[in-house]
Amino acid sequence: GAGVSQTPSNKVTEKGKYVELRCDPISGHTALYWYRQSLGQGPEFLIYFQGTGAADDSGLPNDRFFAVRPEGSVSTLKIQRTERGDSAVYLCASSPRAGLAANEQFFGPGTRLTVL
Amino acid sequence: DAKTTQPPSMDCAEGRAANLPCNHSTISGNEYVYWYRQIHSQGPQYIIHGLKNNETNEMASLIITEDRKSSTLILPHATLRDTAVYYCIVRVTGTASKLTFGTGTRLQVTL
Repeated sequence: GAGVSQTPSNKVTEKGKYVELRCDPISGHTALYWYRQSLGQGPEFLIYFQGTGAADDSGLPNDRFFAVRPEGSVSTLKIQRTERGDSAVYLCASSPRAGLAANEQFFGPGTRLTVL
Repeated sequence: DAKTTQPPSMDCAEGRAANLPCNHSTISGNEYVYWYRQIHSQGPQYIIHGLKNNETNEMASLIITEDRKSSTLILPHATLRDTAVYYCIVRVTGTASKLTFGTGTRLQVTL
């Protein structure tokens, strides 16, 4: 079956602009995660959804970052007034809610965001 | 989640076993050891996880010491396609909680 997909694969924007990054999780997965990865570092947690609600948003760096998942499937990560420091690969992952399969998170290929 | 310590890089000859160590001396009783890997320009991929018994699947084996303070991921016959960054993570299992990645071990498999 289809894996996690993310669009766009690459996004170049100018400082101060607004961007939206999209994640399509695996069908039926209720948990959805956003991470971001800077060069040479491991992925850093941003936010986690269980269904439509954000169960843990402790990783969002500031109020310029916001994410939604209105129907419990597709999620959009929104970044306002982008800064050069926001440049990174933004990764999305999904998993079933609970049980043994919840041990594994399935990652998408990421969106590479470059802020000029 | 408990912190993990891994060597920054390792080399392995193709066809040989790759043994990747991880220290997690502050692991709690309800935390499992997980391994993920990330091939260049791809998202991380789950490999294996375990609590205290050794585990094996089609990708790798996981050996956890009796005191659970360290573990080793074993790729029995490494291939060039196993070249990746390998992350050791400790986490409470059975719940859809976040993963806390460190900087991992960069494994280079060579001919």
